[in-house]
Amino acid sequence: GEDVEQSLFLSVREGDSSVINCTYTDSSSTYLYWYKQEPGAGLQLLTYIFSNMDMKQDQRLTVLLNKKDKHLSLRIADTQTGDSAIYFCAERVGGATNKLIFGTGTLLAVQP
Amino acid sequence: NAGVTQTPKFQVLKTGQSMTLQCAQDMNHNSMYWYRQDPGMGLRLIYYSASEGTTDKGEVPNGYNVSRLNKREFSLRLESAAPSQTSVYFCATRDRHYEQYFGPGTRLTVT
Repeated sequence: GEDVEQSLFLSVREGDSSVINCTYTDSSSTYLYWYKQEPGAGLQLLTYIFSNMDMKQDQRLTVLLNKKDKHLSLRIADTQTGDSAIYFCAERVGGATNKLIFGTGTLLAVQP
Repeated sequence: NAGVTQTPKFQVLKTGQSMTLQCAQDMNHNSMYWYRQDPGMGLRLIYYSASEGTTDKGEVPNGYNVSRLNKREFSLRLESAAPSQTSVYFCATRDRHYEQYFGPGTRLTVT
């Protein structure tokens, strides 16, 4: 079946690195995504990785994909208070309908 | 460009009342989606529309109906609201590169 799991909460100090983890079950996933949700707002795409890649770096963000273990992580370097939000991973399944299966979300709290 | 807009932003209903949540997009995307977000459960797909004139059930369609009025608009209707439908509802569209764009959400409380 399709299931995406994340830990619910992560607390870090400003300036440290944050690592948010995600596991998924559908081995046919083609794309995996990270979305950010700030309080009272909708979801915003942060980055994505294609399933044939191991790593993708975009400024302070690094995505690592371990396809064998079905494990995805998002590392945020030099975490700032503005990074405080809920982070969702999602896997794309289902071909043309682009069905996304979302994780439960990880609340990242950045302490000054 | 407004992107994806949703109305209303907030709504309180009594059990048994009906209402329609509106969603509109100005990005000329074919695909549109309705999700609900509940604490500890992530986002769950209610219905989607791959193109104007077509709609399909998602993961949790019971208690809802949708209407794809035209390419821009995709509405979600609750015919007889129940407390279990208290949630935050998000509309989204998808572009040809398969990226989804979300509206700001509608916060619905059913008492």
